[in-house]
Amino acid sequence: EAGVVQSPRYKIIEKKQPVAFWCNPISGHNTLYWYRQNLGQGPELLIRYENEEAVDDSQLPKDRFSAERLKGVDSTLKIQPAELGDSAVYLCASSPTLDTDTQYFGPGTRLTVL
Amino acid sequence: DQQVKQNSPSLSVQEGRISILNCDYTNSMFDYFLWYKKYPAEGPTFLISISSIKDKNEDGRFTVFLNKSAKHLSLHIVPSQPGDSAVYFCAASDYGQNFVFGPGTRLSVLP
Repeated sequence: EAGVVQSPRYKIIEKKQPVAFWCNPISGHNTLYWYRQNLGQGPELLIRYENEEAVDDSQLPKDRFSAERLKGVDSTLKIQPAELGDSAVYLCASSPTLDTDTQYFGPGTRLTVL
Repeated sequence: DQQVKQNSPSLSVQEGRISILNCDYTNSMFDYFLWYKKYPAEGPTFLISISSIKDKNEDGRFTVFLNKSAKHLSLHIVPSQPGDSAVYFCAASDYGQNFVFGPGTRLSVLP
């Protein structure tokens, strides 16, 4: 069974540029999560989807971050414009349902904003 | 305000000995706790979990203990192996509504 796929694995951009991350969850998993992990810290939830509906986006900085999961499968997280403080690893995770606490993580995208 | 704390940033243990990783939480609504293991350049991998109705869960070399009154849990690895060297994250959720991870503890198992 394929795991959670994320691309790109690494991204280097200059500040004020836009950037997008893509995630393909495990097949059949209805719940999808985006996390941000800063250096030396644990993952912090940005947004959680149940199918195509964002059920928790309270931690997403909506002035510059956006996300979508149009068909309830793949998801894209976008930052526009990026700031220096956005440098982090962006992790995508999925779980079978909203009631399943165990999440399966992708390898992450390491973003560096110069 | 950190709801999940792992006060030891790092821990070194000799191969074959016991590794004990600790985690404290502040939110009494948390009812499910998980430990994840993370190798460099990989995403966290689920290791073991425990529900708040239990005080112990065991899976092979890994055992998690939960002390609800102290809002404390610990992960025991016995015996420790060099392949266990990784960053371990404690995580907690309240009925699946709120997921919070601790900052992690880097475990080094020395041969």
